[in-house]
Amino acid sequence: DQQVKQNSPSLSVQEGRISILNCDYTNSMFDYFLWYKKYPAEGPTFLISISSIKDKNEDGRFTVFLNKSAKHLSLHIVPSQPGDSAVYFCAASDRDTGNQFYFGTGTSLTVIP
Amino acid sequence: DAGVTQSPTHLIKTRGQQVTLRCSPKSGHDTVSWYQQALGQGPQFIFQYYEEEERQRGNFPDRFSGHQFPNYSSELNVNALLLGDSALYLCASSLLQGYQETQYFGPGTRLLVL
Repeated sequence: DQQVKQNSPSLSVQEGRISILNCDYTNSMFDYFLWYKKYPAEGPTFLISISSIKDKNEDGRFTVFLNKSAKHLSLHIVPSQPGDSAVYFCAASDRDTGNQFYFGTGTSLTVIP
Repeated sequence: DAGVTQSPTHLIKTRGQQVTLRCSPKSGHDTVSWYQQALGQGPQFIFQYYEEEERQRGNFPDRFSGHQFPNYSSELNVNALLLGDSALYLCASSLLQGYQETQYFGPGTRLLVL
């Protein structure tokens, strides 16, 4: 039972444009969400997180939006750079199992120079 | 400031054997979690250790066991290896703050079971 879903396996974007990566979840108890970036042969690197008490969080070029009613979150990267090319995973946790992260299957982002 | 380190980086075993993977957490972190990432999938939570005890466990059989040492480092042991255990095993460390903690990952150990 996949509680966190990333329905787009891949995404290609021109350098300088906006990249939008999407993530849906089914468990309404989830209240903490994170995005990780993963390069080949490396572990996931933490990018940005958001608590369910917020609907937006920004960190430089990265912004995460949370729509609790739709059980949907998205990661916006503006402007996209070739170095952003990687696999992006969204993850979620809830108060009851707060230390167990549920991950999506990832979206492979390619930023074309 | 050293990040999360894992050893070995790669490992090849045969079915039925046992394997031990090791993890050293990021400096200042006291909690270690283990994940299994199969090809094309996201990481799946195996278990988490804090104060040398297993705090939480995912949906993995008892063949998967672990240990945490007083210096917060951790081991993951898998007995009676199956072909399906071939995966990237990731260790993540964090500082226990109740919940909504951010976990930082190591580079992983890639295990191949033949």
